[in-house]
Amino acid sequence: SAVISQKPSRDICQRGTSLTIQCQVDSQVTMMFWYRQQPGQSLTLIATANQGSEATYESGFVIDKFPISRPNLTFSTLTVSNMSPEDSSIYLCSVAGTGGSGNTIYFGEGSWLTVV
Amino acid sequence: QKEVEQNSGPLSVPEGAIASLNCTYSDRGSQSFFWYRQYSGKSPELIMSIYSNGDKEDGRFTAQLNKASQYVSLLIRDSQPSDSATYLCAVKNTGNQFYFGTGTSLTVIP
Repeated sequence: SAVISQKPSRDICQRGTSLTIQCQVDSQVTMMFWYRQQPGQSLTLIATANQGSEATYESGFVIDKFPISRPNLTFSTLTVSNMSPEDSSIYLCSVAGTGGSGNTIYFGEGSWLTVV
Repeated sequence: QKEVEQNSGPLSVPEGAIASLNCTYSDRGSQSFFWYRQYSGKSPELIMSIYSNGDKEDGRFTAQLNKASQYVSLLIRDSQPSDSATYLCAVKNTGNQFYFGTGTSLTVIP
């Protein structure tokens, strides 16, 4: 499986600020996704990051709040804008496997954000 | 995103027993199903995938799939304390997106 690196791994953010999370993969991947996991909850898909075009957002998530970039097949960013305490969460970058394992997804280590 | 449903638990089993985890899904066209394990403070890791009706065994783990009933399960035989974690059921839908259940918290008691 691909090696997925996320930065920052952890941060404490002030209310009203924005933070950009970076996701770097060690190989080219077609599908990249961003998930959120709020405390004690499961994973919620935010959006599919599309290379060279606008991300595809799930119901309840909008581009103004969670702008996503995907400039190439190995890199993506997720920005959490105008943060509130409700945005305190783990944000996970994931990629679909390549070749024979293209039918599953793998996760980075996550970015743990606390908004105060 | 209530496409995948799991009992949240918590589920407690004694060491050496069989743990049974269940999952249902709503997208009848889904073809790929997965079980992930998530330890506290860690990101999910893939345990098993299953694509065809029936059972698939991998060591102490057995995944079971019944597409007619839209039901997936995971059995863990000879449960160990190290199996204590949250188990997430995931389904790849017809749109190639992966949706996760709420997870079942498992505790194996020594």
